[in-house]
Amino acid sequence: EAGVTQFPSHSVIEKGQTVTLRCDPISGHDNLYWYRRVMGKEIKFLLHFVKESKQDESGMPNNRFLAERTGGTYSTLKVQPAELEDSGVYFCASSQVSGQTQYFGPGTRLLVL
Amino acid sequence: DQQVKQNSPSLSVQEGRISILNCDYTNSMFDYFLWYKKYPAEGPTFLISISSIKDKNEDGRFTVFLNKSAKHLSLHIVPSQPGDSAVYFCAPLNDYKLSFGAGTTVTVRA
Repeated sequence: EAGVTQFPSHSVIEKGQTVTLRCDPISGHDNLYWYRRVMGKEIKFLLHFVKESKQDESGMPNNRFLAERTGGTYSTLKVQPAELEDSGVYFCASSQVSGQTQYFGPGTRLLVL
Repeated sequence: DQQVKQNSPSLSVQEGRISILNCDYTNSMFDYFLWYKKYPAEGPTFLISISSIKDKNEDGRFTVFLNKSAKHLSLHIVPSQPGDSAVYFCAPLNDYKLSFGAGTTVTVRA
């Protein structure tokens, strides 16, 4: 069974540009989560999807971040325009049922110059 | 507001000995506790978990202990092996949201 996959693995962009991260959850997992770790900080929750519906986006830093999960399969996280403080590692996770173990992808390392 | 604290940033242990990692939390709403292991440039990998209704869970070389009254949990690895060298995160769950500690870097010496 394939695990959670994320694309790209790395992205280097300039301040003001747009970047879109993609996450493919484990097949059959209705719950999808985004987390991120910025330099020197803990891994922090960003948002939670159940199928195509956003259940909680309280962790999203600001309105420059937009997450979607059309069709309830893969999800994208767009940052527009990117700022220097957005640099970090963005992790996606999925679970079959909310409240159960979440399985993480390898992360996308974003560097904004 | 740091709800999860792993006060030991690093731990060095000899191969074959026991590794003990500690985690303290403040939020009494946490009802499920997970430990993740992370290698450089990879995502966190689920290791072991414990429900708030239990005080111990064992899986092979890994045992997690939970003391709810003290809001404290610990992970025991015995015997420690070189492949256990990694960063370990304590991550309590409240409903669907994981809160991560800062992590403890374990180095197993041959």
